[in-house]
Amino acid sequence: EVQLVESGGGLVQPGGSLRLSCAASGFTFSSYWMSWVRQAPGKGLEWVANIKQDGSEKYYVDSVKGRFTISRDNAKNSLYLQMNSLRAEDTAVYYCARDAEDRRTRSYYFDYWGQGTLVTVSS
Amino acid sequence: EIVMTQSPATLSVSPGERATLSCRASQSVSSNLAWYQQKPGQAPRLLIYGASTRATGIPARFSGSGSGTEFTLTISSLQSEDFAVYYCQQYNNWPRHSFGQGTKLEIK
Repeated sequence: EVQLVESGGGLVQPGGSLRLSCAASGFTFSSYWMSWVRQAPGKGLEWVANIKQDGSEKYYVDSVKGRFTISRDNAKNSLYLQMNSLRAEDTAVYYCARDAEDRRTRSYYFDYWGQGTLVTVSS
Repeated sequence: EIVMTQSPATLSVSPGERATLSCRASQSVSSNLAWYQQKPGQAPRLLIYGASTRATGIPARFSGSGSGTEFTLTISSLQSEDFAVYYCQQYNNWPRHSFGQGTKLEIK
């Protein structure tokens, strides 16, 4: 059974830092692109970042470029999101998601999601 | 950036009836369109990918259609567990993704 378990959320002051983790199990982690998706309270979903299987390619939504860094440790089956210079608008539940390939088009959607970890940026 | 627009924002339907949810893309996304269901306090759940392919374990009452810029999610006979928020997502612009703002399906 595929499982994604996020941790590391909490309350942080504006300008502060936080590192989120996602522990993966039930599949060959090193074979998949992985993503972070967030959801502000009462709002919709926003893709944040993704990373290739070997970590050689990383992409970010414009609003977090230069502040957030996605990384992975395939030996530990873990995905990370280092968040620096946090702002109030970064307050959200952060989900770890597995990218699944649509073999007809070689593009990727999200087939499994973790339960999320809440990040609150407030003074 | 591809903008996804869902309508209506809220849909009120009685159990047993059909629900039709719409999603429009600001430019063509071919069939690179997925639908997700989210219940309060839960993570999103994949329903449909490739615009019309049901994900593993998804009941046949869920169907997706469309291509290009216009897409529809249809739930043929609503069950109590189907009342939730539904999101469309384009992945034609992968590795960057974008979601619609969601449609809340509520009991009439």
